[in-house]
Amino acid sequence: QVQLKESGPGLVQPSETLSLTCTVSGFSLTSYSVSWVRQPSGKGPEWMGRMWYDGDTAYNSALKSRLSISRDTSKNQVFLKMNSLQTDDTGTYYCTRDDDYFDYWGQGVMVTVSS
Amino acid sequence: DTVLTQSPALAVSPGERVTISCRASESVSTGMHWYQQKPGQQPKLLIYGASNLESGVPARFSGSGSGTDFTLTIDPVEADDTATYFCQQSWNDLTFGSGTKLEIK
Repeated sequence: QVQLKESGPGLVQPSETLSLTCTVSGFSLTSYSVSWVRQPSGKGPEWMGRMWYDGDTAYNSALKSRLSISRDTSKNQVFLKMNSLQTDDTGTYYCTRDDDYFDYWGQGVMVTVSS
Repeated sequence: DTVLTQSPALAVSPGERVTISCRASESVSTGMHWYQQKPGQQPKLLIYGASNLESGVPARFSGSGSGTDFTLTIDPVEADDTATYFCQQSWNDLTFGSGTKLEIK
């Protein structure tokens, strides 16, 4: 069955870089796109960026200067790196299978930006 | 960016029919999708392409609309439907609404 699982640190210092990994199973990264979506507590989700099935990437224009998404198809993993973190980057980060809508979601990883 | 506007909260009784609305700041054709999120859980896809029911989702849920005005309908509402409902558009980049919190009285 389709599964996605996020992993990474729960606490990041302000101005530092966030690195997260999404490990997928049950589908191929060369057949489906994967997006990262984040959600501050009590607020709506925000699409961050997408790793297309063909290896191309797309980013939310508000985050583009700080964000990088890559993948390793041999390990079924998609990576997120975002630099210059601030306190308003605190929230739950999800990876999702992306077909313009998000039909499968990981459980999410809570990231707190604090010193 | 395309802004999606949702009413913040609704309260209904079990067995009633409820409509949750989402208005887009510009046309998104039928590129509108709906999610249900319960506390502590990830969002769950209910409706895609404005009116297509995701596999496994009860037929009590339905979606309609095109252009800028969209509706998610639950009929009849059950106690387990207590959740926050988000709309998301995929016509102009990808954006979400701020959610409608549904309370079952």
